[in-house]
Amino acid sequence: SQQGEEDPQALSIQEGENATMNCSYKTSINNLQWYRQNSGRGLVHLILIRSNEREKHSGRLRVTLDTSKKSSSLLITASRAADTASYFCANANAGNMLTFGGGTRLMVKP
Amino acid sequence: DAGVIQSPRHEVTEMGQEVTLRCKPISGHNSLFWYRQTMMRGLELLIYFNNNVPIDDSGMPEDRFSAKMPNASFSTLKIQPSEPRDSAVYFCASSGDGAGEQFFGPGTRLTVL
Repeated sequence: SQQGEEDPQALSIQEGENATMNCSYKTSINNLQWYRQNSGRGLVHLILIRSNEREKHSGRLRVTLDTSKKSSSLLITASRAADTASYFCANANAGNMLTFGGGTRLMVKP
Repeated sequence: DAGVIQSPRHEVTEMGQEVTLRCKPISGHNSLFWYRQTMMRGLELLIYFNNNVPIDDSGMPEDRFSAKMPNASFSTLKIQPSEPRDSAVYFCASSGDGAGEQFFGPGTRLTVL
């Protein structure tokens, strides 16, 4: 069963705009990860943020983590049509297992 | 380097038949995970192996499902007998550093008629 929730479930934007996706979780975590899934493909790891970190950047990606609110956000800046995909957050517990959220379907229109 | 390899990529079978899904993790990775993805339930962890030993199988739906990892380079997920509600995409993932990133295979799309 899914432990996290993602918001929004679907997002449609124009190329060049920023996309923000949010994720909430329920228990304490070791780290939180974001993955991307193109249609019909496996998931690809994007970025990992540890429980003692608050913000992390990787290229056009910015991830924040608020452990007091048990929430995280993924910001994609200057979006491109190629960013169209589903994005999932996953929280890792002390036992190293990931629990995935329901995902956000992002469509970037050219 | 080859990523996680899964076979078959697609499987269509009839209810009651045995289904075996195969996975070859990335060489050197010591953790292996089996997931199931459906529209209704999203992505669910079925079982997790570490150093070829099953650590957590609480996600395995029922006794019809079984998984093995006889060595560090091979794992199977078996469904016997299969049912239509088992239709899903099954992913295998491996990881080399415990709580770090997981590398996913392309998945096996299973359809049980």
